[in-house]
Amino acid sequence: KQEVTQIPAALSVPEGENLVLNCSFTDSAIYNLQWFRQDPGKGLTSLLLIQSSQREQTSGRLNASLDKSSGRSTLYIAASQPGDSATYLCAVTGAGSYQLTFGKGTKLSVIP
Amino acid sequence: KAGVTQTPRYLIKTRGQQVTLSCSPISGHRSVSWYQQTPGQGLQFLFEYFSETQRNKGNFPGRFSGRQFSNSRSEMNVSTLELGDSALYLCASSLEGSQETQYFGPGTRLLVL
Repeated sequence: KQEVTQIPAALSVPEGENLVLNCSFTDSAIYNLQWFRQDPGKGLTSLLLIQSSQREQTSGRLNASLDKSSGRSTLYIAASQPGDSATYLCAVTGAGSYQLTFGKGTKLSVIP
Repeated sequence: KAGVTQTPRYLIKTRGQQVTLSCSPISGHRSVSWYQQTPGQGLQFLFEYFSETQRNKGNFPGRFSGRQFSNSRSEMNVSTLELGDSALYLCASSLEGSQETQYFGPGTRLLVL
């Protein structure tokens, strides 16, 4: 059974800092990995999707990497802003599966 | 293009009642998935529908059921509600399934008293 872990559970940083969020998964037989953002009381917004054959994806100040063999992914946020404050979730799709398995998220607070 | 819409947004029910939640996917999307989010368990997969067929089901009791219509709109039903069913219910749509970017709706917050 696939398990996804995100560390730390919460993170507080001053505005302008670069930061890294971590995600690990137990079964390396994945189809893809997605990073999402969730604002309080709202749905999820997709940030980046990395196919299992890819090593990284970039969008603006965000960069996500994937090391499938070690079961790890990182989300790098450059020059953090207060508007980046949210919960960040990673999720994997197992090979041959039609479901996402989510981690419990990292709650990020960027202090002005 | 309009996003994923879910109705109702908030719902209060009592134990033993049943509830039906609705999800309208982005136009052209044929896959709809449902997830339950609680503070303790996080996001858990309920089921996924594609072209009116259920392709995958999560580990939930039979009280949880769903369906998809020919226009790709989906409904989920929970019968005999329990206190533990209180949660945020999220649906996501995509063209073909979770092998691609999932677009989530705002969710329906269900409170069972």
